[in-house]
Amino acid sequence: DAKTTQPPSMDCAEGRAANLPCNHSTISGNEYVYWYRQIHSQGPQYIIHGLKNNETNEMASLIITEDRKSSTLILPHATLRDTAVYYCIVRVARRSNDYKLSFGAGTTVTVRA
Amino acid sequence: EAQVTQNPRYLITVTGKKLTVTCSQNMNHEYMSWYRQDPGLGLRQIYYSMNVEVTDKGDVPEGYKVSRKEKRNFPLILESPSPNQTSLYFCASSLKTGAEAFFGQGTRLTVV
Repeated sequence: DAKTTQPPSMDCAEGRAANLPCNHSTISGNEYVYWYRQIHSQGPQYIIHGLKNNETNEMASLIITEDRKSSTLILPHATLRDTAVYYCIVRVARRSNDYKLSFGAGTTVTVRA
Repeated sequence: EAQVTQNPRYLITVTGKKLTVTCSQNMNHEYMSWYRQDPGLGLRQIYYSMNVEVTDKGDVPEGYKVSRKEKRNFPLILESPSPNQTSLYFCASSLKTGAEAFFGQGTRLTVV
């Protein structure tokens, strides 16, 4: 699976959009970009994933650059409850002989009132 | 409600005393796995299971056993716990490879 690079931390004001970058310059054509988050010591929570088109759900939007070497997770209106560690993961979907999520260090996002 | 349930949430035990951490999911998922999380080391996979009676080692399997006799359950067994197995443990499941993974709330284990 391709390696990802995320900033170690970022702050965001409550009510504003939070834009979380992720670099994955060695991504392969069949690898998806996944985002998870972990609120202090709770189990990680799936947020969104995509291949090359932008994706949106009730939690967030995922913007993937045309060359797929980087992506941005957007939390449109950050709340204090969005304070968490956010993980960007790149992996092949539907690979029947493997199942592992490789979590890196992630980005610690602190939403401030 | 779709969920992954781990028990116990907290456990303090002594070195060498066998223990089992249970994990159960109610989503009919094929794939289940166990992770441990340690400060500075992140989440590391211990074992995973692709279906009933099919299990395989993850990155840090030493000192652990698992079984998958039923689709919904995937217990983690520590035959002879040691202090270096003190950690936060998470069970996860997903419908198939690449689908979103659901995680349990975690089990904080302390071995003294």
